[in-house]
Amino acid sequence: LAKTTQPISMDSYEGQEVNITCSHNNIATNDYITWYQQFPSQGPRFIIQGYKTKVTNEVASLFIPADRKSSTLSLPRVSLSDTAVYYCLVTTDSWGKLQFGAGTQVVVTP
Amino acid sequence: GAGVSQSPRYKVTKRGQDVALRCDPISGHVSLYWYRQALGQGPEFLTYFNYEAQQDKSGLPNDRFSAERPEGSISTLTIQRTEQRDSAMYRCASSLQGDTEAFFGQGTRLTVV
Repeated sequence: LAKTTQPISMDSYEGQEVNITCSHNNIATNDYITWYQQFPSQGPRFIIQGYKTKVTNEVASLFIPADRKSSTLSLPRVSLSDTAVYYCLVTTDSWGKLQFGAGTQVVVTP
Repeated sequence: GAGVSQSPRYKVTKRGQDVALRCDPISGHVSLYWYRQALGQGPEFLTYFNYEAQQDKSGLPNDRFSAERPEGSISTLTIQRTEQRDSAMYRCASSLQGDTEAFFGQGTRLTVV
């Protein structure tokens, strides 16, 4: 599984857009990019997954450039409740195991 | 149940004792995973099953750790002769086979004293 690199932490104010970039230089052809969110004292929760270009759902957008060596999770207009750790993972289409890194701690302040 | 259920939620045990942690996955979910999470770190993969078959146990730290899922539903993670370094949050997750959206349980906080 391709290794991912993402910032350790990011701070933001309420109402701002937060963009977290993840590097995955060794991503394979059949790999997907998947993001999870984890609140304190809870298990990780699936946010979004994509293969290329752009994916959007009610929670976030995921931008993946053509070379797929990086991806950016975009959280629009964050609120205090978006304070969490966000994990970028590379996963194969046949599943198997999720390899979590240290994630990015996002702190949203008023 | 509606979600992944783990029991007990908290377990305190003395060093050297065996512990068994239980995971009840979402009904119909074929894949089941066990993770261990230390404070401030991401979940560390331990093992996973498809149905009753253990597909990958490469993350089990040593032979004191074992897991089973005999009927393809409930799973038990067993730690023999516990040590203080085994103290962590143990998380179980399940998913439909071939689906990368895994649903995590609330975890079992294990403390070895």
